Amino acid sequence: AQSVTQPDIHITVSEGASLELRCNYSYGATPYLFWYVQSPGQGLQLLLKYFSGDTLVQGIKGFEAEFKRSQSSFNLRKPSVHWSDAAEYFCAVAPEGYQKVTFGIGTKLQVIP
Amino acid sequence: NAGVTQTPKFQVLKTGQSMTLQCAQDMNHEYMSWYRQDPGMGLRLIHYSVGAGITDQGEVPNGYNVSRSTTEDFPLRLLSAAPSQTSVYFCASRARVQETQYFGPGTRLLVL
Repeated sequence: AQSVTQPDIHITVSEGASLELRCNYSYGATPYLFWYVQSPGQGLQLLLKYFSGDTLVQGIKGFEAEFKRSQSSFNLRKPSVHWSDAAEYFCAVAPEGYQKVTFGIGTKLQVIP
Repeated sequence: NAGVTQTPKFQVLKTGQSMTLQCAQDMNHEYMSWYRQDPGMGLRLIHYSVGAGITDQGEVPNGYNVSRSTTEDFPLRLLSAAPSQTSVYFCASRARVQETQYFGPGTRLLVL
């Protein structure tokens, strides 16, 4: 069975600083990988996804993520954080076929002026 | 399109009561799923469906039933609510493999 680890429960960054949120997965084959964002009291919104091909994936809101098979990682990055990026971010993995999606426990991002 | 809708938004139940959480989508999506979200545990898959008449268990199915009689609707039934089922429940849908999964706004359930 697949699993996801988000080692950072809470991260604080200054507005305008760069951001990297870590995600490590466990799965025997090449997985489907996702990053979602959740604002307080809201549902989840997909930021980006990786299924195959180019290992650097561009998403919405200026986010990108890089799939590194050798490190079993799919870290999310943004070069310059805005106050509106404060939210909770979830990494998720699914086997090929995409039937069951497993989510990490989330990383809560705080943005300070 | 309304997307994925969930009702009610908030519900309080007493232990042992039953209820149905409603989920509907108007995007003609084949795949639908139910998740629960608990602090420090992320989202966990309860049940999912790959089309009308086809359902399967996820990671935490105990205490929940589902059915899928139409493409649009995927209700989640709690037969005998327990305090451990206090959670926020999200329904999600997507068209097919490799398509974006859309989430509803959630139902907050409190079981006393």
